Amino acid sequence: AQSVTQPDIHITVSEGASLELRCNYSYGATPYLFWYVQSPGQGLQLLLKYFSGDTLVQGIKGFEAEFKRSQSSFNLRKPSVHWSDAAEYFCAVLYSSASKIIFGSGTRLSIRP
Amino acid sequence: DGGITQSPKYLFRKEGQNVTLSCEQNLNHDAMYWYRQDPGQGLRLIYYSQIVNDFQKGDIAEGYSVSREKKESFPLTVTSAQKNPTAFYLCASSMGGKTGTYEQYFGPGTRLTVT
Repeated sequence: AQSVTQPDIHITVSEGASLELRCNYSYGATPYLFWYVQSPGQGLQLLLKYFSGDTLVQGIKGFEAEFKRSQSSFNLRKPSVHWSDAAEYFCAVLYSSASKIIFGSGTRLSIRP
Repeated sequence: DGGITQSPKYLFRKEGQNVTLSCEQNLNHDAMYWYRQDPGQGLRLIYYSQIVNDFQKGDIAEGYSVSREKKESFPLTVTSAQKNPTAFYLCASSMGGKTGTYEQYFGPGTRLTVT
């Protein structure tokens, strides 16, 4: 079955430190990959997407993600986090054979002053 | 400004009553979606529509109904048959019609509380 796994439920990092959020998806042909961010009580905002081409994609708010087909991963990174980055982050996958996106269960990010 | 609007932001209902959540988009997107989000959980798909006058059940459609009479609108009715309706409801849209290979854009959500 197609699935998306975000192994970290909650991560705390210090302001200014680097960040990496993990995402793994079940094997499938031609995945389309997304990262979304959600502030409390708000909708989801698209951070970045990967459809094809360069496996390192840049997004908004200084985020980037790298697609690694051999590891079935699409990890999100940021070199230096800001207090405003505290939020819930969702990885999502759309397979070309499907018509709906599958979301991971999310990783909550807290920032230590 | 183009976007997705959901109203109201907060909704309170008594148990046994049906309630309809509104979702409107002016992005000219073909596809629209309804998700449910419970505390500490990801998004679960309720219903989706890839084109006007057509919609499909998602993973948790029981106790919900939808209509898609206009491209811009995709209202969700939470019926009295839904056993645990209190949740945060998110509407989304995307360009993808039958192909579906596009990112989704989300509205601000409606928090429904049923007592």
